[in-house]
Amino acid sequence: DTAVSQTPKYLVTQMGNDKSIKCEQNLGHDTMYWYKQDSKKFLKIMFSYNNKELIINETVPNRFSPKSPDKAHLNLHINSLELGDSAVYFCASSQIGTAGYTFGSGTRLTVV
Amino acid sequence: SQQGEEDPQALSIQEGENATMNCSYKTSINNLQWYRQNSGRGLVHLILIRSNEREKHSGRLRVTLDTSKKSSSLLITASRAADTASYFCATDLYGYALNFGKGTSLLVTP
Repeated sequence: DTAVSQTPKYLVTQMGNDKSIKCEQNLGHDTMYWYKQDSKKFLKIMFSYNNKELIINETVPNRFSPKSPDKAHLNLHINSLELGDSAVYFCASSQIGTAGYTFGSGTRLTVV
Repeated sequence: SQQGEEDPQALSIQEGENATMNCSYKTSINNLQWYRQNSGRGLVHLILIRSNEREKHSGRLRVTLDTSKKSSSLLITASRAADTASYFCATDLYGYALNFGKGTSLLVTP
């Protein structure tokens, strides 16, 4: 009964490849997010979607393209992967007006 | 830009002791939240305090908020080894995302 599930958990790929990370939430939340956590554990918001509509795009390179087919899913596609994209990517969801975000367990992306 | 800044960056205590972490932020907020992250895991929401609240409790957690100083503190009483984790404060960004600080790494030794 995972609330926010993201796949895969680990992703190792070569520079230049294209990859996707999937996220699904079964909480009925109306807002979903992608966060990037770097090697120093700093968490940075990448995207925020509310009811399938893009709300926030925090100066993320256009190689990153989020897709929200419905409000329970927010996928992240990354083109032409670079070494600097190596990080842990977290999906999260929340219901505006209520307490707290629910995070997925993360996808550790390693670009070699 | 980064909103929350935790202090200290790392804290090491023994079981049974209290742990206090501080967070400072820069702009007006609707609420401030604290999260825990165990090694290799996702973040877990601990507590939310609204801008019109000064103190909040949840089990062994006590959070204070001073909006005049733009600061918050998280107190964990009677720490346990299982409390070993990184702790992050986070503030609203545009109302549609949280802005996280760099976190405090807490180590509780038996």
